[in-house]
Amino acid sequence: DTGVSQDPRHKITKRGQNVTFRCDPISEHNRLYWYRQTLGQGPEFLTYFQNEAQLEKSRLLSDRFSAERPKGSFSTLEIQRTEQGDSAMYLCASSLSLGMATNEKLFFGSGTQLSVL
Amino acid sequence: DQQVKQNSPSLSVQEGRISILNCDYTNSMFDYFLWYKKYPAEGPTFLISISSIKDKNEDGRFTVFLNKSAKHLSLHIVPSQPGDSAVYFCAALKYGNKLVFGAGTILRVKS
Repeated sequence: DTGVSQDPRHKITKRGQNVTFRCDPISEHNRLYWYRQTLGQGPEFLTYFQNEAQLEKSRLLSDRFSAERPKGSFSTLEIQRTEQGDSAMYLCASSLSLGMATNEKLFFGSGTQLSVL
Repeated sequence: DQQVKQNSPSLSVQEGRISILNCDYTNSMFDYFLWYKKYPAEGPTFLISISSIKDKNEDGRFTVFLNKSAKHLSLHIVPSQPGDSAVYFCAALKYGNKLVFGAGTILRVKS
């Protein structure tokens, strides 16, 4: 049983560069979430997908951020023109939800730690 | 607005004693409450949950209590073990919506 995997684990970039993270959810899970966590804070919701459809985006997600889940399996999160304030742990989670019901139990990956210099 | 609050940034407990982690919330419409545990360099892992229609849920050494009138929940760990040392996040969910997390409490269990 493979859990949620995220790649890379760490990313160091210079301000103004673009970065892309990948998330592979648990294979039978139809929902995929992106969260961001900064030091001393809990995870903050960014966006989520049900299959390939992006159903909700947080106002935290500026237009420099874009997420895709093209085939309803893996997802990518891209940040364009990175800023120092983007430095955080980016967490991906997945769950299995039937219809419009929400399965409250999310399974998280180990995250991608982004450092913008 | 912070809908889920964990007011204690850290807690230190002796091995074998009880650990009590607290959480307050402001939204009375939450349907479910969850606790997650997080070790360094790992993602949060689900620990225990409770529906808003219940006031207690127990799973081994872990018990979660919900007081809806006070909008308060707590996680009890008995007996505490050194391996329980981690960051504990309280989270809340309204059906059809996403999980909202508190800021976390660092638990240190001393042997």
